[in-house]
Amino acid sequence: SQTIHQWPATLVQPVGSPLSLECTVEGTSNPNLYWYRQAAGRGLQLLFYSVGIGQISSEVPQNLSASRPQDRQFILSSKKLLLSDSGFYLCAWAQNYQPQHFGDGTRLSIL
Amino acid sequence: AQKVTQAQTEISVVEKEDVTLDCVYETRDTTYYLFWYKQPPSGELVFLIRRNSFDEQNEISGRYSWNFQKSTSSFNFTITASQVVDSAVYFCALSDTGAQKLVFGQGTRLTINP
Repeated sequence: SQTIHQWPATLVQPVGSPLSLECTVEGTSNPNLYWYRQAAGRGLQLLFYSVGIGQISSEVPQNLSASRPQDRQFILSSKKLLLSDSGFYLCAWAQNYQPQHFGDGTRLSIL
Repeated sequence: AQKVTQAQTEISVVEKEDVTLDCVYETRDTTYYLFWYKQPPSGELVFLIRRNSFDEQNEISGRYSWNFQKSTSSFNFTITASQVVDSAVYFCALSDTGAQKLVFGQGTRLTINP
């Protein structure tokens, strides 16, 4: 069966520091991968999605970037974090037009 | 542009009551998917249901039922005989049928009191 892993579960970072969040999927190949962000008390917003290695689509202008160095690995990064980057980040995968399944998320606090 | 509206920000009911969560959507696509996800306090998103825009049949799964009405662009979710474990934030979402980029509503926080 397929599983999705996200880490770390929680992260506290100072303003201006770099960021790297990682997401991996097991048990499948060539999945669609997605990064969403949930600001406190609000809905989820799609940040990036990828339909294959090296293929990244950005949905909103922001201080973040994404990369897919391997088929089942999706990384969310920032060179310098802003206070507004705080939130709950969720990675998801989908394949063959099946519904997206989400990881457990990373709670990011910027101080 | 696609948009999902969940007008009910918070709902609080007593256990065993029935409760309906409303969802209204906007899209110009003729083919699309509609979803409901549950987010318990632990934060993960749990998939509940997906409906194709061509399938307007209502669906029932145990105490859960969904009413899809294309004429009113609504996809409402009803929990019958609610239980404390149903307490969570519920999200309605819409996607295209290509890359399946999900557009979420703002969520409805449902609290079931014993």
